[in-house]
Amino acid sequence: ETGVTQSPTHLIKTRGQQVTLRCSSQSGHNTVSWYQQALGQGPQFIFQYYREEENGRGNFPPRFSGLQFPNYSSELNVNALELDDSALYLCASSTRLGATGANVLTFGAGSRLTVL
Amino acid sequence: AQKVTQAQTEISVVEKEDVTLDCVYETRDTTYYLFWYKQPPSGELVFLIRRNSFDEQNEISGRYSWNFQKSTSSFNFTITASQVVDSAVYFCALSVSGSARQLTFGSGTQLTVLP
Repeated sequence: ETGVTQSPTHLIKTRGQQVTLRCSSQSGHNTVSWYQQALGQGPQFIFQYYREEENGRGNFPPRFSGLQFPNYSSELNVNALELDDSALYLCASSTRLGATGANVLTFGAGSRLTVL
Repeated sequence: AQKVTQAQTEISVVEKEDVTLDCVYETRDTTYYLFWYKQPPSGELVFLIRRNSFDEQNEISGRYSWNFQKSTSSFNFTITASQVVDSAVYFCALSVSGSARQLTFGSGTQLTVLP
């Protein structure tokens, strides 16, 4: 059983550029969530995808967007990068257990983005 | 809105000492789930435990134990006889019923176990 894999592991961009981060979910999982973790902070929820549709969004601007593909993998796109976007971006997959909030998330190791 | 507070930013102990990590949560929902995750230097968050709001029974798993008290809105985590390999950042998190069911994390506690 493979876990959650993310790519790239590290990348450096300059302000104003665009970035795409990729995530392959764990086998058997159909839901993908993205979190942003600034240095020294806890992860913050960006959005979640289920059946290729956005299924909830945190307090992030529209320049943060995503996709989920039929094989349940996912992308996170960030446009017009700002310095404050520098963070570890974590992808997590899970099965969908109704609306209970009981889902246990399996996290990847993250993509560390530095914006200069 | 949900909130999780981990007041201890950093804790340092010597190997074999017991250590307790505190977690206080806020929610108006009556049905919710509490989690603890461990984040080693490699970055990925590793699931440790999940409790639902209707089950206040404490749990023990090897050297790990959890104390859930609804009266004080706390879900504390104790490591008995700590080991160097326990060094990591530990996060407490909360989720509630509803759309997305996202996790609300605390700011984490950096635990360093010294040999």
